[in-house]
Amino acid sequence: GEDVEQSLFLSVREGDSSVINCTYTDSSSTYLYWYKQEPGAGLQLLTYIFSNMDMKQDQRLTVLLNKKDKHLSLRIADTQTGDSAIYFCAENSGNTPLVFGKGTRLSVIA
Amino acid sequence: DTEVTQTPKHLVMGMTNKKSLKCEQHMGHRAMYWYKQKAKKPPELMFVYSYEKLSINESVPSRFSPECPNSSLLNLHLHALQPEDSALYLCASSQRIGGNEKLFFGSGTQLPVL
Repeated sequence: GEDVEQSLFLSVREGDSSVINCTYTDSSSTYLYWYKQEPGAGLQLLTYIFSNMDMKQDQRLTVLLNKKDKHLSLRIADTQTGDSAIYFCAENSGNTPLVFGKGTRLSVIA
Repeated sequence: DTEVTQTPKHLVMGMTNKKSLKCEQHMGHRAMYWYKQKAKKPPELMFVYSYEKLSINESVPSRFSPECPNSSLLNLHLHALQPEDSALYLCASSQRIGGNEKLFFGSGTQLPVL
């Protein structure tokens, strides 16, 4: 079946950029997503990218997609303590439900 | 209104209880979902309703019983849960299944089973 892999932890200093990486196996993925989950809360959709794009920017967030390598990344510029959370990569294709990665826990050090 | 509202936020269950979780959205979404999330894990899909009909049941034990009374409401009825069912239960909605399936999540019900 489809698989989505992420590194489990990332630690950065406040003000630096964070880059969270994700790889997926389903070559028919049409949409790829980044969700953020803060402690005790549900998941919040941060951004998404369609598979025919290679980059999408939204304020401090930049998503890069390398479809050939099936690699997705999320860059957060000027990382703040409020960005500390778990970030989930997810993908879907056709009418199949979303497949989530295991999540990357981002810790921001003041 | 872009919210998915879940009640209650916390619920403690004994193994013989019967309780229900409730979820509501007023975004006109036609797909609604129940997910189970264990600590430090991604959400696991349990059920999907599409246009008020059960579309996906991911082999969930019968002690979990979903219900979709109308397009805005989704319930999850719980009976005789086991300790391994302790988790955060998340409801989500989207415009439809598939395509650009942007999910909007509620804040969840934290459910320890004693």
